[in-house]
Amino acid sequence: EAGVVQSPRYKIIEKKQPVAFWCNPISGHNTLYWYLQNLGQGPELLIRYENEEAVDDSQLPKDRFSAERLKGVDSTLKIQPAELGDSAVYLCASSLARNNEQFFGPGTRLTVL
Amino acid sequence: RKEVEQDPGPFNVPEGATVAFNCTYSNSASQSFFWYRQDCRKEPKLLMSVYSSGNEDGRFTAQLNRASQYISLLIRDSKLSDSATYLCAPTDSWGKLQFGAGTQVVVTP
Repeated sequence: EAGVVQSPRYKIIEKKQPVAFWCNPISGHNTLYWYLQNLGQGPELLIRYENEEAVDDSQLPKDRFSAERLKGVDSTLKIQPAELGDSAVYLCASSLARNNEQFFGPGTRLTVL
Repeated sequence: RKEVEQDPGPFNVPEGATVAFNCTYSNSASQSFFWYRQDCRKEPKLLMSVYSSGNEDGRFTAQLNRASQYISLLIRDSKLSDSATYLCAPTDSWGKLQFGAGTQVVVTP
């Protein structure tokens, strides 16, 4: 069974540029999560989707971050404009439903110069 | 106070030895508990769920102490391949994982 797929794996951009990350969850997983992980820290939830509905986006900086999950399958996370402090690993995870085990993708390592 | 606290380590463990470490959480309403393993520059991988009665998976044993609000992980007969950062993650009633910063384990030959 294929795991969570993310692309790109690495991205280097200059500050103020836009960037987008893509995630395809495990087939059949209704719940999709976007996390941010800084060096030496655990992942922090940015947004959670139940199918196509964003049910928890309280930690998403909405002035510059946006996300969508059209058709309730794959998802895109966007940052516009990027700031130096956005440099981090952006992880996507999925689960069958909330409270089930979450499985993570390989992440996108973003460097903002 | 952080919601989830872990000793960052590193715990330097001779190969074949036993190592144990805890994770404390502040949300008394936490419903589910998990241990994840994360290798350097890799994604977290689910190691095991933690049940109220405790559970064992091979050389790994997890325990939950609700009264004192901590979970523990014990690794017996440590292997070099056990070297990693171990993240604990309680969830709230909405299924939101609240990760600790992780405990680094280094198994030495």
